[in-house]
Amino acid sequence: DAGVTQSPTHLIKTRGQQVTLRCSPISGHKSVSWYQQVLGQGPQFIFQYYEKEERGRGNFPDRFSARQFPNYSSELNVNALLLGDSALYLCASSLAGLGSNQPQHFGDGTRLSIL
Amino acid sequence: AQSVTQLGSHVSVSEGALVLLRCNYSSSVPPYLFWYVQYPNQGLQLLLKYTSAATLVKGINGFEAEFKKSETSFHLTKPSAHMSDAAEYFCAVSDYVGAQKLVFGQGTRLTINP
Repeated sequence: DAGVTQSPTHLIKTRGQQVTLRCSPISGHKSVSWYQQVLGQGPQFIFQYYEKEERGRGNFPDRFSARQFPNYSSELNVNALLLGDSALYLCASSLAGLGSNQPQHFGDGTRLSIL
Repeated sequence: AQSVTQLGSHVSVSEGALVLLRCNYSSSVPPYLFWYVQYPNQGLQLLLKYTSAATLVKGINGFEAEFKKSETSFHLTKPSAHMSDAAEYFCAVSDYVGAQKLVFGQGTRLTINP
């Protein structure tokens, strides 16, 4: 079975632009979460979506938004890009949603560079 | 609020030596604990998880971790290091209520010397 797939793998944008990152979960997984990993740090939670509804949001500004589609794939949108948004954006999927010990399975990420 | 502290941003061991990566957590409720490994230019791969069953958890690639509630620790060990173990290791905590949110430590870079 295919793992979590993310596209694109690399992206270069300039300050003030907008970007959309895409994620396809493992088949059968209904939960998708997004994380931001700045170089040299651990990933930081941005959003969780389960059954197409937002179930959790991390401490990120409103410039960050996401959605989940009926096929459980997801998009992360970031508006008005800042230099500090340069990071590896990781998508993770799991079988269950709230209060679950099901492990999250990560994709290889999208590396976003802001010039 | 939950938090994770990984002691030592860099650990270097010789091939064949014991690997010990330290993780301490803070959680107001019984936690779920995870160790992930990240190879260069890749995402995170689950090594093992603790979910309140056995306190000694065995994972992939010969790694294991022991949950010690009294010490709020979940250290990762491997009896004999291989060159292929060189990577970044992350400890993470989540809880059983609310969003399925992982809180990660800062990571420990493991180097294996031949």
